[in-house]
Amino acid sequence: AQSVSQHNHHVILSEAASLELGCNYSYGGTVNLFWYVQYPGQHLQLLLKYFSGDPLVKGIKGFEAEFIKSKFSFNLRKPSVQWSDTAEYFCAVSLYNTDKLIFGTGTRLQVFP
Amino acid sequence: DADVTQTPRNRITKTGKRIMLECSQTKGHDRMYWYRQDPGLGLRLIYYSFDVKDINKGEISDGYSVSRQAQAKFSLSLESAIPNQTALYFCATSDLDNSGANVLTFGAGSRLTVL
Repeated sequence: AQSVSQHNHHVILSEAASLELGCNYSYGGTVNLFWYVQYPGQHLQLLLKYFSGDPLVKGIKGFEAEFIKSKFSFNLRKPSVQWSDTAEYFCAVSLYNTDKLIFGTGTRLQVFP
Repeated sequence: DADVTQTPRNRITKTGKRIMLECSQTKGHDRMYWYRQDPGLGLRLIYYSFDVKDINKGEISDGYSVSRQAQAKFSLSLESAIPNQTALYFCATSDLDNSGANVLTFGAGSRLTVL
């Protein structure tokens, strides 16, 4: 069965530190890849997505992610985090020609001032 | 007004009770979904619907049923609630964006506690 793995369950950083959250998926075919963010008490919002083309995608609030097909990975990065980035981050994979989204277990990010 | 509205936002009920969570959307999307979120488990798909006449089971449909009353409405029912159905439930809708990707829009969530 297809799955999405997020190995970092809880990340604690100080402001201005760099961030990288891992995401790996298990599916050999064509995929669409997403990162969603859930701020405390809010619903999930799309942070960025990869559909095709340039494997380095940029999203909102200075986030970016790189699709590395050979590693089945789509890691999320931000050079300098802010306190307002405190949230839970979910990686998700949509299999080509299907509309089902499979989510990872999420990574809780806490940023301290 | 929110694009995807869920009611109730919070509900506490007892084991064995029937519960319905409602979802309505103003985005005009055909695709609608119900997910549950549990700490450490992420979001898991319960049911999804691609149009009014199309209902599909997700990963964890046992103990749940759904009804797609109209394009804009998709309800989730727990016929006989049990404590391990205590979770945060999200409704979502989707459509293909300009790049062809299926992007979900989520509701604010319904927190259900089963005692």
